[in-house]
Amino acid sequence: DAGVIQSPRHEVTEMGQEVTLRCKPISGHDYLFWYRQTMMRGLELLIYFNNNVPIDDSGMPEDRFSAKMPNASFSTLKIQPSEPRDSAVYFCASSRLAGAQETQYFGPGTRLLVL
Amino acid sequence: SQKIEQNSEALNIQEGKTATLTCNYTNYSPAYLQWYRQDPGRGPVFLLLIRENEKEKRKERLKVTFDTTLKQSLFHITASQPADSATYLCALSFSGTYKYIFGTGTRLKVLA
Repeated sequence: DAGVIQSPRHEVTEMGQEVTLRCKPISGHDYLFWYRQTMMRGLELLIYFNNNVPIDDSGMPEDRFSAKMPNASFSTLKIQPSEPRDSAVYFCASSRLAGAQETQYFGPGTRLLVL
Repeated sequence: SQKIEQNSEALNIQEGKTATLTCNYTNYSPAYLQWYRQDPGRGPVFLLLIRENEKEKRKERLKVTFDTTLKQSLFHITASQPADSATYLCALSFSGTYKYIFGTGTRLKVLA
């Protein structure tokens, strides 16, 4: 299995621009998570989906952030408009089943820099 | 709100020694606690999970302890090797939720 796939791996954009991050979870995994990692705040959960349905988006920082999962093999995280404080590494993760004891498999991340 | 504290300073140890990393939390005790390894430029990789009713868990050279009285988990790597150099994250989850709260991680460097 190829694991969780994320694209792009690096993104540099200017403040005010729209940014779209993409994720392909591991086939057969019903849960998909979006995280943001910074030095100061560590790894923070933004939103997670179960069977393509958003379950908890309480970690989404502002209305500028939105996430979709149109099908079981694809999800996007969009920031519009982007701001310098959005600069971080964004990870997508998936897990097979429900439950806190399930292992989450992380993608390689997208390093975002907003100038 | 729940807080997780991991030593933000890097831990340097000599090859062959046992590395011990600490994860402290405040407020409520989690139902599950996980440890992950993260290498530069990569996503975290799951290592071990321990439940609230378990005191200790082992996997090869790794050992995790969970003390709900002290609100602390210790992560040990015995016979450490330079290849063990990485950042180690602890993550807590609570009953009734599928969400994990992650610590900021501790960077371990094993010197040859």
